[in-house]
Amino acid sequence: AQSVTQLDSQVPVFEEAPVELRCNYSSSVSVYLFWYVQYPNQGLQLLLKYLSGSTLVESINGFEAEFNKSQTSFHLRKPSVHISDTAEYFCAVIDSGYALNFGKGTSLLVTP
Amino acid sequence: DTGVSQDPRHKITKRGQNVTFRCDPISEHNRLYWYRQTLGQGPEFLTYFQNEAQLEKSRLLSDRFSAERPKGSFSTLEIQRTEQGDSAMYLCASSSFGGTYSYEQYFGPGTRLTVT
Repeated sequence: AQSVTQLDSQVPVFEEAPVELRCNYSSSVSVYLFWYVQYPNQGLQLLLKYLSGSTLVESINGFEAEFNKSQTSFHLRKPSVHISDTAEYFCAVIDSGYALNFGKGTSLLVTP
Repeated sequence: DTGVSQDPRHKITKRGQNVTFRCDPISEHNRLYWYRQTLGQGPEFLTYFQNEAQLEKSRLLSDRFSAERPKGSFSTLEIQRTEQGDSAMYLCASSSFGGTYSYEQYFGPGTRLTVT
């Protein structure tokens, strides 16, 4: 089964600093990867996805992730974070063509 | 375009009671998924439908769990004889079907179940 591992359970960072949230996936021929964000007391929102094509994918709020096949990674980055980015971030991979397998999540805490 | 909706948002029940949750997917989506999320964990896949057909149910947690989507629109998830370990957030998601669009799942706000 396809799986992902999120290497950090919590990432504290100061406002306007860069951040990287790490995600590694189990190797496979075809892999479809996602980052979801869950703000406090809200549902999961799709942040960005890698399905095919360009290995660098971007979201509308400044996050980007790079699909790295040789390192089996899909790390999420932002060059300058805001207080409003404080949330739980989940990396996920499609398994068996339909089920999302999620990592345990990384809690991003942005402080002034 | 309304998103995925779930009802109720919160449910408190006593151990041994049955509960049922409802999910309304995005209207043009014909795939519907159920997940469970416990505290400090990522969501865990339970089951999914394509139109009214339940194509995978082996990952439902026990035979106390069942799901239906009778007309291919809304879906219900029922838990019979609830146990304290069933306390969790139950999430519904939907996607369209066809090519890589099948993989883009959009989630509802969830139903938080507390079993006392």
